[in-house]
Amino acid sequence: ETGVTQSPTHLIKTRGQQVTLRCSSQSGHNTVSWYQQALGQGPQFIFQYYREEENGRGNFPPRFSGLQFPNYSSELNVNALELDDSALYLCASSLQHYYGYTFGSGTRLTVV
Amino acid sequence: AQKVTQAQTEISVVEKEDVTLDCVYETRDTTYYLFWYKQPPSGELVFLIRRNSFDEQNEISGRYSWNFQKSTSSFNFTITASQVVDSAVYFCALSEAEGAQKLVFGQGTRLTINP
Repeated sequence: ETGVTQSPTHLIKTRGQQVTLRCSSQSGHNTVSWYQQALGQGPQFIFQYYREEENGRGNFPPRFSGLQFPNYSSELNVNALELDDSALYLCASSLQHYYGYTFGSGTRLTVV
Repeated sequence: AQKVTQAQTEISVVEKEDVTLDCVYETRDTTYYLFWYKQPPSGELVFLIRRNSFDEQNEISGRYSWNFQKSTSSFNFTITASQVVDSAVYFCALSEAEGAQKLVFGQGTRLTINP
């Protein structure tokens, strides 16, 4: 049973650019959630996708958007990058109605 | 709004000592879940335990134990006979029972076990 895989592991972008982060969910999981973890902080919920639709969103601006594909993998897109977007982005998958999240190792995004 | 507070930012102990990580939470929900996760330097969050708000029984798993007290809104985590491999950042988290069931995390406690 494979776990959650995220790519890339590290990324450096310039302020104002756009970025796409990818997540492959654990086999059998149909729900994907994204979290942002700033240095020294706890993760913060960005949004969740269930059956290819957004199923909840945290306090993040619209320039944070996402997609979930039929195979339940997911993308997180961030437009107009700001310096404060520098963080570890974590993806977590779960099976809806059975509660338990499996987290990936994250993508470390640095905005310069 | 839900909130989780981990007042201990960093803890450093010598190997084989017992250590307790504190967690206090706030929620208006009557049904909710509480979690502890471990985050090693590699970054992924490793699930340790989930507790339903209706189940106040304490739990023990090897050297790990958890004390859930609804009356004080606390869910503390104790490591007995700590080992160097226990060094990590530990997060307490709270989630609603319905909807997206998003996790609300505390700030984390960095635990260092010295040989």
